[in-house]
Amino acid sequence: GAGVSQSPSNKVTEKGKDVELRCDPISGHTALYWYRQSLGQGLEFLIYFQGNSAPDKSGLPSDRFSAERTGGSVSTLTIQRTQQEDSAVYLCASSDRTGDQPQHFGDGTRLSIL
Amino acid sequence: GESVGLHLPTLSVQEGDNSIINCAYSNSASDYFIWYKQESGKGPQFIIDIRSNMDKRQGQRVTVLLNKTVKHLSLQIAATQPGDSAVYFCAEIWGAQKLVFGQGTRLTINP
Repeated sequence: GAGVSQSPSNKVTEKGKDVELRCDPISGHTALYWYRQSLGQGLEFLIYFQGNSAPDKSGLPSDRFSAERTGGSVSTLTIQRTQQEDSAVYLCASSDRTGDQPQHFGDGTRLSIL
Repeated sequence: GESVGLHLPTLSVQEGDNSIINCAYSNSASDYFIWYKQESGKGPQFIIDIRSNMDKRQGQRVTVLLNKTVKHLSLQIAATQPGDSAVYFCAEIWGAQKLVFGQGTRLTINP
């Protein structure tokens, strides 16, 4: 498909475990973003990558959260020692470039921490 | 901090009527705005965007209006259809190229 792909679509894990969420952006898009959406809420920015520049990590809520983008394409968001408040939908988006191009979203990973 | 918000959390309209969803933003430096539609279990879907050097932009059945004087954005949907039922978010480019989203308005189309 031509859209942003995220996996898994759902993840249930126990408190304290680590989780990895994956995002495949639209081919050729240089910018990649991670957001978090809690139930009934808007989207909260987490981190974004633009080309080979250092990522903007200003939205990460704690040092338990980290993200990588290998080869300028696929990205992985890792949450260590998960807490119940981490339960949310994690959305990935990509765009052709930053600033004045729309971000296109995947359908997210619904993360539930027991 | 700066924020983008929506005036109404819910909106119900009759099928075939026009709907208007409003949004207030507070960052006067924002220069790019986007409307997204989100259906249950899906990611936000791009509807239409507008840059700050414009005050109106039209798409298929949708129009976005931007009033920079009062920092107000609206989305007009013409001849609403059942498939238009969703949550609509406005968003602005703020800070380091990340979007800031409002809380969303749930639009319900009544048959």
